[in-house]
Amino acid sequence: GAVVSQHPSWVICKSGTSVKIECRSLDFQATTMFWYRQFPKQSLMLMATSNEGSKATYEQGVEKDKFLINHASLTLSTLTVTSAHPEDSSFYICSASWTGDLGGNQPQHFGDGTRLSIL
Amino acid sequence: GQQVMQIPQYQHVQEGEDFTTYCNSSTTLSNIQWYKQRPGGHPVFLIQLVKSGEVKKQKRLTFQFGEAKKNSSLHITATQTTDVGTYFCASETSGSRLTFGEGTQLTVNP
Repeated sequence: GAVVSQHPSWVICKSGTSVKIECRSLDFQATTMFWYRQFPKQSLMLMATSNEGSKATYEQGVEKDKFLINHASLTLSTLTVTSAHPEDSSFYICSASWTGDLGGNQPQHFGDGTRLSIL
Repeated sequence: GQQVMQIPQYQHVQEGEDFTTYCNSSTTLSNIQWYKQRPGGHPVFLIQLVKSGEVKKQKRLTFQFGEAKKNSSLHITATQTTDVGTYFCASETSGSRLTFGEGTQLTVNP
């Protein structure tokens, strides 16, 4: 159980292109989804927290107009990197969690990630 | 914001040797989670520790949470080549947000 699907796994595109990444929880309803960015040999940096039906909460330093997040349903969140430039090249990973029966949040389950390369 | 420091950054061991990675925080943590990320892969949840002084085992892996809930460790006994990867600790803050440590990259020489 607790499978998170992320698509696409690889994207190579020209500078100035907008790229949409999808994150789906396949066998559970995700109360919350998270978007991370990971540069080579570095740790995961949280970009934003997304709750279904509400605006995403962005971490300090993350441009909300650059990284558009939509969480339209309990099983789908999307991240759109608008007008991508080479410095946006990175590994983008989503995760999802849900509220357990006792009210506590369950551990996060990660998608496979998307490797974005902007030429 | 809350930060979790993780050491060492890299660890190279011979197969069969033990391995330990440590996480430390200057503030009390509500819980600590451990993840493993294989090269080219995504983080996979290993375990969550919540109680002061808690010790949990998963086969050759032993996880500890300090009495003051400010530090944690992951110990692998008799490493195998399948243990290769980067091990991250992560602390949970408000809204279930996770702050990850820098990770320890483990390589195992056969």
